[in-house]
Amino acid sequence: QKEVEQDPGPLSVPEGAIVSLNCTYSNSAFQYFMWYRQYSRKGPELLMYTYSSGNKEDGRFTAQVDKSSKYISLFIRDSQPSDSATYLCAMSVSNYQLIWGAGTKLIIKP
Amino acid sequence: ETGVTQTPRHLVMGMTNKKSLKCEQHLGHNAMYWYKQSAKKPLELMFVYSLEERVENNSVPSRFSPECPNSSHLFLHLHTLQPEDSALYLCASSPAVSKHNEQFFGPGTRLTVL
Repeated sequence: QKEVEQDPGPLSVPEGAIVSLNCTYSNSAFQYFMWYRQYSRKGPELLMYTYSSGNKEDGRFTAQVDKSSKYISLFIRDSQPSDSATYLCAMSVSNYQLIWGAGTKLIIKP
Repeated sequence: ETGVTQTPRHLVMGMTNKKSLKCEQHLGHNAMYWYKQSAKKPLELMFVYSLEERVENNSVPSRFSPECPNSSHLFLHLHTLQPEDSALYLCASSPAVSKHNEQFFGPGTRLTVL
């Protein structure tokens, strides 16, 4: 079993829809949870960072962590074609080793 | 130049060649990282440097040899690679190793081994 599971997609939705991206994990010791966005031919860029449980909102993006279910989500409201990218989740215990999901490819259709 | 830069952006090499990848960060960070990204697989951490000192080597084959001459520059020296080493190689930096959750990535070098 992989430490972090993420559906590879592609996930295709119409412009303006609410998008839900998810990761599940097996290590209950994870404390730090991150979402990265990676456009084609670019490196990943940090979108959201959450420590422990709870929600965090930044503009159209909301990150949720449910440690009891070992499940994290990223919601994108009012999705735009420019949101089309691969979204990577990453998490860690407390050291410098991030454990990554394989990424979900998101396509927003105009 | 801003952020993290990597050169070359694309590299094709034979199995007997020797080449080097270069990474430079302009963020004043003290930690630098090499990752390997293969299609549909999670990022694999290869090496971590903190203030030019290697702090992690994740069972990487010896045909990959990192070098960190100062906190702004990181190299990955390649020799006698295998076709399965073809991948996107990403460099990242963070303010400190303890701030691993604030990693900034370069655009990567797309490596093809023939």
